[in-house]
Amino acid sequence: QSVLTQPPSVSAAPGQKVTISCSGVSSNIGNNYVSWYQQLPGTAPKLLIYDNNERPSGIPDRFSGSKSGTSATLGITGLQTGDEADYYCETWDTSLSAGVFGGGTKLTVL
Amino acid sequence: EVQLVESGGGLVQPGRSLRLSCTVSGFTFGDFTMSWVRQAPGKGLEWVGLIRSKTYGGVIQYAASVKGRFTISRDDSKSIAYLQMNTLKTEDTAVYYCTREKGTYGDRGSDHWGQGTLVTVSS
Repeated sequence: QSVLTQPPSVSAAPGQKVTISCSGVSSNIGNNYVSWYQQLPGTAPKLLIYDNNERPSGIPDRFSGSKSGTSATLGITGLQTGDEADYYCETWDTSLSAGVFGGGTKLTVL
Repeated sequence: EVQLVESGGGLVQPGRSLRLSCTVSGFTFGDFTMSWVRQAPGKGLEWVGLIRSKTYGGVIQYAASVKGRFTISRDDSKSIAYLQMNTLKTEDTAVYYCTREKGTYGDRGSDHWGQGTLVTVSS
């Protein structure tokens, strides 16, 4: 059971938009930055979003992040088949003094 | 180019020990907090622990699932981070990733990851 809650799967058609939610509590998302990662099959995760809504260089603006209260959301627009991957949220949990991940969301581009 | 390369994985019996290494290049290793993250086969990511830079006291923090059994250390002169794993359990079977943290406190994401090394704990 993960500390952060994500939907197990989401799907949408090419060109469409999808959002992935990540729910936590005050000791984690509520008071810390959220990061998002993309993990393509058989590869290491890649940072997509940090500090809730910032993109590292090289990440297209089709990817966006937001946070409100104890929840965060990853948005992906203009879906491509190459976006099919597992997506994870991460934050710090002040009560646990540890990093915590969501359980991951598998994105299918139909 | 930033590179992180894990090594030391393999097959080990329950109760035994293993040490993983993460050799880095392309940045000043001593300036960064380094983390370990693992992924059991077919499962999600699990944070294992981190070690801050000496500038920030070299503080080490662990996940509850490994505390007391795993030890993280670093050798800034060699640009290597280590994960010493003792009293291994079958549930420690996973791909172990070394990561570079963007922030000091482990709260700003990992912007670089190694390719991972597989640890299999089995009799």
